[in-house]
Amino acid sequence: GNSVTQMEGPVTLSEEAFLTINCTYTATGYPSLFWYVQYPGEGLQLLLKATKADDKGSNKGFEATYRKETTSFHLEKGSVQVSDSAVYFCALTPSGGYQKVTFGIGTKLQVIP
Amino acid sequence: DAEITQSPRHKITETGRQVTLACHQTWNHNNMFWYRQDLGHGLRLIHYSYGVQDTNKGEVSDGYSVSRSNTEDLPLTLESAASSQTSVYFCASSEGANFNEQFFGPGTRLTVL
Repeated sequence: GNSVTQMEGPVTLSEEAFLTINCTYTATGYPSLFWYVQYPGEGLQLLLKATKADDKGSNKGFEATYRKETTSFHLEKGSVQVSDSAVYFCALTPSGGYQKVTFGIGTKLQVIP
Repeated sequence: DAEITQSPRHKITETGRQVTLACHQTWNHNNMFWYRQDLGHGLRLIHYSYGVQDTNKGEVSDGYSVSRSNTEDLPLTLESAASSQTSVYFCASSEGANFNEQFFGPGTRLTVL
């Protein structure tokens, strides 16, 4: 079956540090890949996505590149802010057919001033 | 603006009681989903629906049921609440293809005593 692997954290960084959250996946074919973010007390919201190999998704300074050869979709940001403190979920939907999302466990990010 | 709402936001109930959590979306999406979020497990799919009168079991469906009588609503019922069902529950909706994002509600925190 499909699966998504990411570290649970928490990841603690100082403001303006570089962020990487690793995500690897297992799926057949060409899934679509997503990063969702959950701020405290809220539901998840889409941060970025990529739908085919070598695509780069980007939003709010975050980036992730769909790497088919390494089955990865690592999230990066060059300079984090306190307001980026949240839980980040990597996710995939399988190619073809209806949409059913497989989520990773979520990585908690804490950014300290 | 279109939105997805959940009610109640917080609920405390006793073991053995029947509980229904409401989910209402105004996106006119065909796809609707229920997840539970627990520490160490991320988001796990309970039930999902791809349209009116369609319901399907997810990975943790035991003890839960849903019905879809219209496009806007997918209520989640716990037939006989158990302490193991203490969790935060999220409803989500999406439209069409597998590369489209899911839109999440704000969540319901359920405590079963």
